[in-house]
Amino acid sequence: EAGVAQSPRYKIIEKRQSVAFWCNPISGHATLYWYQQILGQGPKLLIQFQNNGVVDDSQLPKDRFSAERLKGVDSTLKIQPAKLEDSAVYLCASSLIGLRQGPYEQYFGPGTRLTVT
Amino acid sequence: GQNIDQPTEMTATEGAIVQINCTYQTSGFNGLFWYQQHAGEAPTFLSYNVLDGLEEKGRFSSFLSRSKGYSYLLLKELQMKDSASYLCAVRGTLFGGYNKLIFGAGTRLAVHP
Repeated sequence: EAGVAQSPRYKIIEKRQSVAFWCNPISGHATLYWYQQILGQGPKLLIQFQNNGVVDDSQLPKDRFSAERLKGVDSTLKIQPAKLEDSAVYLCASSLIGLRQGPYEQYFGPGTRLTVT
Repeated sequence: GQNIDQPTEMTATEGAIVQINCTYQTSGFNGLFWYQQHAGEAPTFLSYNVLDGLEEKGRFSSFLSRSKGYSYLLLKELQMKDSASYLCAVRGTLFGGYNKLIFGAGTRLAVHP
């Protein structure tokens, strides 16, 4: 079974530039998550999709971050303009279902390491 | 508020046993997960507890006490490859019943020969 795919793996940009990340979840997984992981911290949820609808974006800095999952499969996360504090690893994860029943663990992609200079 | 506490770092010797503790205070509880994350890699699922008690899976065991807001991950017969960060994550519920994972900062475990 193919895992969660992400690209690019690494990206270096200057502050105020824009950047986009792509994620393709495991086939059949309805729920997709974007996390930000700053060095030395645990992942922080930015946005959660159920199919192509947003169920939680409470921690997404909406003045600069945007995300979409148009056809309910792959997703893009964009930052415009980037700030120094956006330097982090951006992890995409997917799970079979996002509802409360069952131990539906999240499967993570390899992440994109973003450095903003 | 939501708070998950884990020790920042631990060291142990190859072949030994180590226990990594996690305490949590969250609004809503629908299970606790442990993930392993090697440096520069994605987190991978280790265990899941939703009821009180011990869940054993090979060299790894996880315990949960919901009344105390406490869990631990027990690693036996430590190997060098167990050097990694161990993330405790609590699953709460969003409006509408959808899951949300809240992660602790992780415990960085170093296994020495």
